[in-house]
Amino acid sequence: DQQVKQNSPSLSVQEGRISILNCDYTNSMFDYFLWYKKYPAEGPTFLISISSIKDKNEDGRFTVFLNKSAKHLSLHIVPSQPGDSAVYFCAASLSNDYKLSFGAGTTVTVRA
Amino acid sequence: GAGVSQSPRYKVAKRGQDVALRCDPISGHVSLFWYQQALGQGPEFLTYFQNEAQLDKSGLPSDRFFAERPEGSVSTLKIQRTQQEDSAVYLCASSPGLSTGEQYFGPGTRLTVT
Repeated sequence: DQQVKQNSPSLSVQEGRISILNCDYTNSMFDYFLWYKKYPAEGPTFLISISSIKDKNEDGRFTVFLNKSAKHLSLHIVPSQPGDSAVYFCAASLSNDYKLSFGAGTTVTVRA
Repeated sequence: GAGVSQSPRYKVAKRGQDVALRCDPISGHVSLFWYQQALGQGPEFLTYFQNEAQLDKSGLPSDRFFAERPEGSVSTLKIQRTQQEDSAVYLCASSPGLSTGEQYFGPGTRLTVT
């Protein structure tokens, strides 16, 4: 039972424009959310996280928005750069749990 | 400093063979996780260690899968009598804390069972 869903398998965006990645979750008990970025033949690397007590967290070009009532989060990358081309995974957990539940990933391609 | 390392990076096994996958976590990290990532999917939790104690093995798909971390550092995931459905990337991750938080992933071992 997939508790975290990324319904867009791929996204293509022009360099300099905004990339918006979406993620939905079904378990209302989740209260900690993370985004990971993965290049081919490498493991996922942590990008940004957000706790359910916030609705926005920003780190440089990356901003994550959380809508608890809709059980939805999004990652905004602005401006998009060629090095941002990768697979992005959304993950969720309970605040006192260690298990991460991952979505299937969205492949982002940034066009020059 | 050194990140999480895994070996081998690639493993081809004939159906029915046993395999052992190794994970070297970041030094001093208390928590260690194993995930299985099938093609086109996200990582799925297999098992969790806190130091040498295996606190959760609820994600192991069958009793052919066994993991250990005897001295609280290096961990080995063993798969006995491999089947084709075991073909996947096996990811190891570690974290310094005991509960939620960022996990640091290794590059994974791609297992192909023929």
